[in-house]
This record gives sequence, structure tokens and C-alpha cells, in this order.
Amino acid sequence: QKEVEQDPGPLSVPEGAIVSLNCTYSNSAFQYFMWYRQYSRKGPELLMYTYSSGNKEDGRFTAQVDKSSKYISLFIRDSQPSDSATYLCAMSDPGGATNKLIFGTGTLLAVQP
Amino acid sequence: EPEVTQTPSHQVTQMGQEVILRCVPISNHLYFYWYRQILGQKVEFLVSFYNNEISEKSEIFDDQFSVERPDGSNFTLKIRSTKLEDSAMYFCASSEWGRTDTQYFGPGTRLTVL
Repeated sequence: QKEVEQDPGPLSVPEGAIVSLNCTYSNSAFQYFMWYRQYSRKGPELLMYTYSSGNKEDGRFTAQVDKSSKYISLFIRDSQPSDSATYLCAMSDPGGATNKLIFGTGTLLAVQP
Repeated sequence: EPEVTQTPSHQVTQMGQEVILRCVPISNHLYFYWYRQILGQKVEFLVSFYNNEISEKSEIFDDQFSVERPDGSNFTLKIRSTKLEDSAMYFCASSEWGRTDTQYFGPGTRLTVL
């Protein structure tokens, strides 16, 4: 079983739609969960950061963590064409000295105007 | 807003040649990382660096790779003898003291080995 699994998409939605992006993971020791946004041929940009279970909201973005199910989600409300990008979930591995990040494969999102 | 910068943006090299990829982390950050992303694949951890030494490295980071902080601002990744399979985007990241879970990435260097 892979450590982090993410549906690669692509996911195409109309402008204004609510988008739900998801990841599952296998290592119950993960406690820090991140969502990064990556535009084509650019570096990952940190969007949301969540510790342990619960919800966190930032503008149109909501990150949700359910540790009991080993499942995390990112919701985007009122999606815009500028949200079109690849969304990467990442978890920090507490087993090492510097919390290396374990990434999902990324979900490619296209928001159609 | 402070950001991680990387140079060059694109490097083309011949197989067997040495390359040095350069990064300037965010100025008050103390932890530095290199990740790579082969086209169409996941972002993968290579190495982390703290207090002028390697903290952790992956299986990918073999003897062909080395890292250095030659001065107070730069952080470099050297590949001694490049292989075709080293072709990838290489990302530098940094994090501040006590926040190694929150890493900020640079724009990447695209390495093409011919």
C-alpha cells in the first residue's frame, strides 16, 4: 500500500463550482498535513497547513483532516479559472530529524470559465 | 514576501558531466531541503540539511549527490556525474526553526541530461 494516495484526475469543473480534492494515507503517525498548489512547471506553493484532525478555513479554501479514517480533503468554494493547477497533498514524516514531506501524486484541476 | 529562489531555471548537460544547482533559501530559515520531480511523477524527498550537515537523506541521494552551504545565503546541490535518469525538476525548500513541517519551495531548476 502506498503511503499517500491521491486521485490524479484530471478534474474539470465550471467556474463557481465547489471542488473537493482528497487524499488517503497509511501511516497513522502522520500529524501534519499540507496542501500545495503547483502551476505547470513551477514550484509547489503552500496553500493550507493543518495539524491533527479537524477543519481549517482560509478564504475560499477549507482543509479537513479525519485521522480516524486517514483521509484528508481540500474544498475550494466559488472556484475560479485561476484555481486551475495541480493540487498536491503532503504529509510530514515524523520518523526523521527534519520532517521530510511525503507527497501525493497531485490532482490536476481545470476550472472552465 | 520572502521567497526561495533557484538558479538556473533550466540546465542542459551531457551525461557524465557535473552540475551544480543553486538555491537561496528564505533568509531566517535554518532547515534546507532538496526534492525532485521526474516528469509526471511525485515530488520526492532527496535530502535535508541543518547546521551545516546532512540531517536526513533518501535512497535516491547516493554518492553522486552532495550538498553544501558555501556561504551564509546559498545552498547548492551537486551531481557529480549526471545520468539520463537524473533529468527532472529539482526543488529547493526551506523552513524556519521549530517549523520543519512547513516548508516553502522555490520555483525549481529543470535539469535535462542528454
